[in-house]
Amino acid sequence: GAVVSQHPSRVICKSGTSVKIECRSLDFQATTMFWYRQFPKQSLMLMATSNEGSKATYEQGVEKDKFLINHASLTLSTLTVTSAHPEDSSFYICSARDPGAMSSYEQYFGPGTRLTVT
Amino acid sequence: GQNIDQPTEMTATEGAIVQINCTYQTSGFNGLFWYQQHAGEAPTFLSYNVLDGLEEKGRFSSFLSRSKGYSYLLLKELQMKDSASYLCAVIWQAGTALIFGKGTTLSVSS
Repeated sequence: GAVVSQHPSRVICKSGTSVKIECRSLDFQATTMFWYRQFPKQSLMLMATSNEGSKATYEQGVEKDKFLINHASLTLSTLTVTSAHPEDSSFYICSARDPGAMSSYEQYFGPGTRLTVT
Repeated sequence: GQNIDQPTEMTATEGAIVQINCTYQTSGFNGLFWYQQHAGEAPTFLSYNVLDGLEEKGRFSSFLSRSKGYSYLLLKELQMKDSASYLCAVIWQAGTALIFGKGTTLSVSS
């Protein structure tokens, strides 16, 4: 099956700094990737849709200047949390859709990145 | 809105059967997924329904009624390792992201 990786798996940073999270599709090309955030004991909340070669589409309430998304190639999307604050501490999960899969609607999830801002 | 409702918590015992329900807004519906998520891990795919009826896959089955905006996930012969969150997710427009419900935390006891 399709594999999506994320790096890093865990990161701790100080308040005010920026953190970059990478999401890669390892064995397929993903023109579209999705970024979700999950707070403890809550479900996944869609943050943005990342489109290769174009600007990301952000969900209502998500600050595009704070959460910078770049989808520079068909296998890599990055999420940069700028000027991080403790309330940004969360589990960030990316997913990608494999256009060649039998169910083109299925999304394959990365293992997630646990961000802690101190 | 894209309301997806599922119970917050459920409990069951080993060997039992449990049914987790999910209701959603029907307008624009394009498919429904069930995922399992253990604490601190990414969701793993369980099932996909786009047509009415029951899809059976081993101990897990998923049912869909498009006219009622209703789905359920049926787990048989429960095992302790089935203790997890179960997420109902819907696609409303082709090519768009999955939108997740709040999830149901299932606790299986011996």
